[in-house]
Amino acid sequence: KAGVTQTPRYLIKTRGQQVTLSCSPISGHRSVSWYQQTPGQGLQFLFEYFSETQRNKGNFPGRFSGRQFSNSRSEMNVSTLELGDSALYLCASSLAKAGYLNTEAFFGQGTRLTVV
Amino acid sequence: GQQVMQIPQYQHVQEGEDFTTYCNSSTTLSNIQWYKQRPGGHPVFLIQLVKSGEVKKQKRLTFQFGEAKKNSSLHITATQTTDVGTYFCAGHKGGSEKLVFGKGTKLTVNP
Repeated sequence: KAGVTQTPRYLIKTRGQQVTLSCSPISGHRSVSWYQQTPGQGLQFLFEYFSETQRNKGNFPGRFSGRQFSNSRSEMNVSTLELGDSALYLCASSLAKAGYLNTEAFFGQGTRLTVV
Repeated sequence: GQQVMQIPQYQHVQEGEDFTTYCNSSTTLSNIQWYKQRPGGHPVFLIQLVKSGEVKKQKRLTFQFGEAKKNSSLHITATQTTDVGTYFCAGHKGGSEKLVFGKGTKLTVNP
């Protein structure tokens, strides 16, 4: 069974630009969550999608957005990039059946975004 | 901000010594999960605890979930160099599907 796939693995962007990151979850997983990881802040929750609907959202500005497609693949977009957006962006998928919380998260390798 | 506190942030031990990391939440957790992230890698699920007072073991690793379901610990006996990495706790709060992570404890082991 293929794992969670994130593309691209590395990205360098200039301040003010926008970026789109992609995540393909494990087959059969309907929940996809996004996290920002930085050395000082650990894993910060961005948002979670389930069946194309955003179920939960973290405390990030509106420049951070996402969506999920009918095949459960997800994308996140960051507009008007700032230097502080440089981080490892991790996507995680889980079975997360409705009303059932106790499922593990499977992480992708992440996309390393550098804003210069 | 971070809603699950994890301490210590860093821990350096000699190979063979024990190691413990602690996780605390101000509110009751539905469950607690533990992940390990090797240097340059991504978090990998280790275990999940659901019941109050639950204790689970995986070889040299012992996981505990507090009676009040607000705290948890991971204890490694006789650390090895392969234990190097950052250990994260994570939990669901109040039935939310949002999985909240602690900031992690970075473990280094001196051979």
